[in-house]
Amino acid sequence: DTAVSQTPKYLVTQMGNDKSIKCEQNLGHDTMYWYKQDSKKFLKIMFSYNNKELIINETVPNRFSPKSPDKAHLNLHINSLELGDSAVYFCASSLRVQETQYFGPGTRLLVL
Amino acid sequence: SQQGEEDPQALSIQEGENATMNCSYKTSINNLQWYRQNSGRGLVHLILIRSNEREKHSGRLRVTLDTSKKSSSLLITASRAADTASYFCATDARTDKLIFGTGTRLQVFP
Repeated sequence: DTAVSQTPKYLVTQMGNDKSIKCEQNLGHDTMYWYKQDSKKFLKIMFSYNNKELIINETVPNRFSPKSPDKAHLNLHINSLELGDSAVYFCASSLRVQETQYFGPGTRLLVL
Repeated sequence: SQQGEEDPQALSIQEGENATMNCSYKTSINNLQWYRQNSGRGLVHLILIRSNEREKHSGRLRVTLDTSKKSSSLLITASRAADTASYFCATDARTDKLIFGTGTRLQVFP
């Protein structure tokens, strides 16, 4: 009965590869987010979707492409992975924007 | 640039002591939230305080907000070893996104 789940939990891959991270929430929330947390624990928003529509798109390389097939899912596809993409990626959801956010367990991405 | 900065960056205390963490931010807000992150885990929401509130309590947690100084504090009373974690403040800057601070790493020794 996990509220916000992400897969995979760990992802180790070579530079140049393409990978996807999946996120699902069963809270009935309208808004979902992707965050990147770097090695210094700094957490930065990347994207946000509200009712399947993109509402926030921070300055993120266009190698990163989010997709929301429905309100309960927000996936993140990354093309041509680079060393600097190594980080922990968190998915989150909230009932509405500006409200309490519920985070997934994170996906630890290591690019070699 | 970051909206919020926590102070101190790291804090070590003994069980039973109180822990106080501060957060300063730059622009006007609708609300401010505090989150906890245990090592290797996702963030967990602790408290949301709205801009028209000055103080809020939840169990052993007490949050204050001073919008004139653009600052907030999180007090954990009678700390326990299980409180060991990183604590982040997050503000909305009156936008649709949360901007997280740099975090305070709290270590509570048994």
